[in-house]
Amino acid sequence: QSALTQPPSASGSPGQSVTISCTGTTRDVGAYNYVSWYQQHPGRAPKLMIFEVTKRPSGVPDRFSGSKSGNTASLTVSELQAEDEADYFCISRIDGGNVYVFGTGTRVNVL
Amino acid sequence: QLHLQESGPGLVKPSETLSLTCTVSGGSISGSGTFWGWIRQPPGSRPEWIGHIHNRGSPYYNATLKSRVVISLDTSKNQFSLRVMSVTAIDTAVYYCVRPHDYAFDDWGQGILVTVSS
Repeated sequence: QSALTQPPSASGSPGQSVTISCTGTTRDVGAYNYVSWYQQHPGRAPKLMIFEVTKRPSGVPDRFSGSKSGNTASLTVSELQAEDEADYFCISRIDGGNVYVFGTGTRVNVL
Repeated sequence: QLHLQESGPGLVKPSETLSLTCTVSGGSISGSGTFWGWIRQPPGSRPEWIGHIHNRGSPYYNATLKSRVVISLDTSKNQFSLRVMSVTAIDTAVYYCVRPHDYAFDDWGQGILVTVSS
């Protein structure tokens, strides 16, 4: 099954910023503004952080922001805090029957 | 505040059927334009979309699972269900019930680990 490509890991010190990429194709990320980002702590359910590329659900800090250029979407976490250490993955709408395609996931380490 | 809770057996034998139920509270599954779905995450792996169902329409399934999966609604109990038939070890995963909205997953259950083993 195809997947959106994310870097396996990203790191930053407290107070710094980290940006995670999510690269797809013209059938998914490039075709729709329906990219969402999720944070997952070990043993916990994923939590929606960004939807429709740039929008934040109520309660998500504005330190989290999303963007897109061509076939690549990005999540930026500014002013890193210890609790931001988690796995992050992206999801995009995709052409064809499967509706969704998932990213490979990125582990964010706060040094 | 919507709350989703999965329930079902944590152990299923190979070749048998995995059956899970998601109980929804804080909202009606019959609400206009709502979708309800399932996602699973094998241990140490990324999540995988299983499928979803519209409260007034046909279900949509992951093409790789379509022949073995059924998602259904029980509006009288405000629940929806998942059945995965002829399971093997590769179906071992944490199963989450979810509420899709505008191609994102706003709400997740806490997840339930289902192990396929004899």
